[in-house]
Amino acid sequence: AQSVTQLDSHVSVSEGTPVLLRCNYSSSYSPSLFWYVQHPNKGLQLLLKYTSAATLVKGINGFEAEFKKSETSFHLTKPSAHMSDAAEYFCVVINTGTASKLTFGTGTRLQVTL
Amino acid sequence: GAGVSQSPRYKVAKRGQDVALRCDPISGHVSLFWYQQALGQGPEFLTYFQNEAQLDKSGLPSDRFFAERPEGSVSTLKIQRTQQEDSAVYLCASSFGTIIEQFFGPGTRLTVL
Repeated sequence: AQSVTQLDSHVSVSEGTPVLLRCNYSSSYSPSLFWYVQHPNKGLQLLLKYTSAATLVKGINGFEAEFKKSETSFHLTKPSAHMSDAAEYFCVVINTGTASKLTFGTGTRLQVTL
Repeated sequence: GAGVSQSPRYKVAKRGQDVALRCDPISGHVSLFWYQQALGQGPEFLTYFQNEAQLDKSGLPSDRFFAERPEGSVSTLKIQRTQQEDSAVYLCASSFGTIIEQFFGPGTRLTVL
């Protein structure tokens, strides 16, 4: 069965500094991986996805993630944080063989301070 | 453009009441998913439809939970005899065919008193 582990429940950064949100995955098959963001009282929004193409994936709002099979990791990064990035971030895995349910991590709350 | 919509956005129920939560997927999306998100947790899968067929209901926590999608479009999640542990945000998502990206609605926040 597939699963993801988000290594930090809470990350705080200063505006303008880099962001790193860590995610490790476990999957029996070749996984597809996603990062979703959830702003308060808003729906989940897809940031980026990895589906066995390029290992470095670029998403919206300047975020990117690198798929590292040897480390079973899919960490989310952004060079410079903005106040509007403050939200809950979820790492998500789906087995490409089943193409059905998403398995979510427990989430990382990103706080951005002045 | 039109996204996934859910209604009601908020629902308060007394313990033991039945509730029905509605999801309108994006037009043309054949796949529809329901997830449950408890406070402070990530969403957890409940059930999955492809058109009107319910292909996976392995995540439904008990037989009090029932979902349907009779015409392959709108879906309803019904919870009978609600309990306090049912309090959560219920999320609906849809996707088009074999494209795996799921688009989420805003959710229905259910509070059981």
